[in-house]
Amino acid sequence: EVQVEQSGAEVKKPGESLKISCKGSGFRFSSYWIGWVRQVPGKGLEWMGIIFPADSDTKYSPSFQGQVTMSVDKSIDTAYLQWSSLKASDTAMYFCARRGGGAFDVWGQGTTVSV
Amino acid sequence: QSVLTQPPSASGTPGQRVTISCSGSSSNIGTNTVNWYQLQLPGAVPKLLIYGNDQRPSGVPDRFSGSKSGTSASLAISGLQSEDEADYFCEAWDDSLNGLCAFGTGTRVSVL
Repeated sequence: EVQVEQSGAEVKKPGESLKISCKGSGFRFSSYWIGWVRQVPGKGLEWMGIIFPADSDTKYSPSFQGQVTMSVDKSIDTAYLQWSSLKASDTAMYFCARRGGGAFDVWGQGTTVSV
Repeated sequence: QSVLTQPPSASGTPGQRVTISCSGSSSNIGTNTVNWYQLQLPGAVPKLLIYGNDQRPSGVPDRFSGSKSGTSASLAISGLQSEDEADYFCEAWDDSLNGLCAFGTGTRVSVL
């Protein structure tokens, strides 16, 4: 079964660092762009950026450039999203998703981050 | 503020047809394809409904259809059902956003 599985909910304090994960299975992970999407409580979806596991090519949306870091460990089919210093405004649900057919076709279950 | 604008809400009675618009510009919808996603509950996982303007992934009922004209796109739900009550978001590549995508502002569909 094609799926992406995300790490569990996190509760952190402002200023702390955090790294959440997204593990793919059932497909050739290195061949698909993996994206990250934010949903602030009560708000819509925000495109954060995408990473290509084969070569770690990364593209950030302007709103998130410099605010987060995306990375990948292709040896374990896992992508990461990290913060060096969390802010209260980072409180949100974060989804990772596979980019297939020009769209996000397989989504993780989401990781809730509370700061 | 998203570059893709949707009406905040839409509604219909069971069996009716509801249409949601997504308005953009020449840098996004005007030159790139549009995708649509459904979120049935706050905190639910988004589901891909339409990709490439009008293509349905396997398993998506044919009650859902997409179209595009110029710098606008539309999602139509025909034969509205109670389980269609959800938030809907369009998405398109935007040539002015480091060549990345943006989501629309979202539309909440209510089934009366």
